[in-house]
Amino acid sequence: SQTIHQWPATLVQPVGSPLSLECTVEGTSNPNLYWYRQAAGRGLQLLFYSVGIGQISSEVPQNLSASRPQDRQFILSSKKLLLSDSGFYLCAWTPGLVTYEQYFGPGTRLTVT
Amino acid sequence: ILNVEQSPQSLHVQEGDSTNFTCSFPSSNFYALHWYRWETAKSPEALFVMTLNGDEKKKGRISATLNTKEGYSYLYIKGSQPEDSATYLCALANNAGNMLTFGGGTRLMVKP
Repeated sequence: SQTIHQWPATLVQPVGSPLSLECTVEGTSNPNLYWYRQAAGRGLQLLFYSVGIGQISSEVPQNLSASRPQDRQFILSSKKLLLSDSGFYLCAWTPGLVTYEQYFGPGTRLTVT
Repeated sequence: ILNVEQSPQSLHVQEGDSTNFTCSFPSSNFYALHWYRWETAKSPEALFVMTLNGDEKKKGRISATLNTKEGYSYLYIKGSQPEDSATYLCALANNAGNMLTFGGGTRLMVKP
């Protein structure tokens, strides 16, 4: 069966520090991968998605970036965090196009101080 | 950017009440609509993926309908239980079928 992992589970970082969040999927190959963020009091916002290694699409201009160095690994990064980057970050995968349900990871709670 | 609206934002009901809430979306170029259930401290969990106008899907006490011509979907919960307390999210697929736009969610609280 497929599983999706995210780490860390929680993170407190000062403004201006770098960020690296990791997501890995097991039990499937060539998944579509997604990064979402839920800011306080708001819905889920799509940040990035990837249909293959090295292929990243960005949906929202911001100081975050994403990379997919391996088929089942998706990394969210920032060189310098802003206060507004605080939120709950979810990684998700789907076996194909979005007529399939998305499977979400456990999430990372990021607090920028 | 697709505009997906959910109403109400929050809802308090008594155990045993039936309830429903709405997801509204642009009716043009419809591809698919998803419903998710998101409990606090857990990951969102898929309830339904709906693709055809007039679709009606059911899972236990929860059901959903879809009207793509007028751009709305309803989620119904029959006989609400405290364990139904969660945020219910709908999400619209773009016409390329490769990304979802989520609504703001409806937060349901069921009192015992």
